[in-house]
Amino acid sequence: GAVVSQHPSWVICKSGTSVKIECRSLDFQATTMFWYRQFPKQSLMLMATSNEGSKATYEQGVEKDKFLINHASLTLSTLTVTSAHPEDSSFYICSASDTGTGELFFGEGSRLTVL
Amino acid sequence: QKEVEQDPGPLSVPEGAIVSLNCTYSNSAFQYFMWYRQYSRKGPELLMYTYSSGNKEDGRFTAQVDKSSKYISLFIRDSQPSDSATYLCAMRRNAGNMLTFGGGTRLMVKP
Repeated sequence: GAVVSQHPSWVICKSGTSVKIECRSLDFQATTMFWYRQFPKQSLMLMATSNEGSKATYEQGVEKDKFLINHASLTLSTLTVTSAHPEDSSFYICSASDTGTGELFFGEGSRLTVL
Repeated sequence: QKEVEQDPGPLSVPEGAIVSLNCTYSNSAFQYFMWYRQYSRKGPELLMYTYSSGNKEDGRFTAQVDKSSKYISLFIRDSQPSDSATYLCAMRRNAGNMLTFGGGTRLMVKP
């Protein structure tokens, strides 16, 4: 099946630093990618929709200046958590929508721990 | 009321049992329906992808969509301990839209 690669899978950082997470569709083009956040034993919470070549659309309550999203190509979207704080610690998951079929595939997730 | 309702479980079954997982939804505009399996600390894995009403079978998995009742199901035959995971239903209005997820059902298959 189609593969979405997410990197890094696990990151620990100090409070106040910024962390970048990459999401790549390896064998298909993805005009649209999505970024989610998941807390333990809870379902996925959509943070933002990323469209190639345009600004991301953020869900209500998600700070766009804190969670910077860039979708510069049809295979890569990045999420940068700026000035991270311990409450930003979470599991971040990206998904990519195959432009041809509409199927949606997920990355393996990135676990962020902010000390 | 949530747009997509899913029993959180946990659902515990013996190995070899037939498992039935279900979701109901309220938005009649949904046309694309998906089931994902998520193991702990992993990203969701697409299991089944169906468009509109009907059945779709893939190995031990069968997905059913009943748009008239706004009800979708995933059946797992001959369940295995390796099927133990959280199963998420998801749906969207058209191919370009974001997904709306159910809350997930945690399944435990005991040997």
